[in-house]
Amino acid sequence: EAEVAQSPRYKITEKSQAVAFWCDPISGHATLYWYRQILGQGPELLVQFQDESVVDDSQLPKDRFSAERLKGVDSTLKIQPAELGDSAMYLCASSAGANTGELFFGEGSRLTVL
Amino acid sequence: DQQVKQNSPSLSVQEGRISILNCDYTNSMFDYFLWYKKYPAEGPTFLISISSIKDKNEDGRFTVFLNKSAKHLSLHIVPSQPGDSAVYFCAASLSNTGKLIFGQGTTLQVKP
Repeated sequence: EAEVAQSPRYKITEKSQAVAFWCDPISGHATLYWYRQILGQGPELLVQFQDESVVDDSQLPKDRFSAERLKGVDSTLKIQPAELGDSAMYLCASSAGANTGELFFGEGSRLTVL
Repeated sequence: DQQVKQNSPSLSVQEGRISILNCDYTNSMFDYFLWYKKYPAEGPTFLISISSIKDKNEDGRFTVFLNKSAKHLSLHIVPSQPGDSAVYFCAASLSNTGKLIFGQGTTLQVKP
């Protein structure tokens, strides 16, 4: 069964350092999402791509976060510099189209900022 | 502004009984609703969905009910099994955006 791949699974870093997460969506899925889930809360959308274009990044803290999907396939989410409040699970998801509503999530990347 | 709310952080039920998880939303423009299930250290997995043109959708032991006038939906699990113990997230979307807005989640514990 096709899956969304994410790496690393776990990342511990010190504040002010740079960190990057990688996501490979299910083959053929044009829409890719990065969500952040803080413990005890629901996932919150950071950025949505349609192919290589950003559709929605209204909740992305652009002073420190960046995301790219250069060839419309895999994607990277970067944080620089990391802050204590960035500690969370970063979830990547993909979907075949924007109208189905059903997203397929990866296992997530757990970030701890010390 | 929390557009999707799950007011019960946790729920505990006995194996074999019914589990009812609730969700409220504020945006009447939402036209698609989903429930996701999440085990620890894993990503959420899709469970069941319902379009706003329906008021009920059933899939095996899982049934989702939608009350548009009350802006409320619920997930019924009958009978509940210990393997159902997980965090359940309600989500809503506008179908032309593909963006899901999630509730805070409800932790379900099914006791043997």
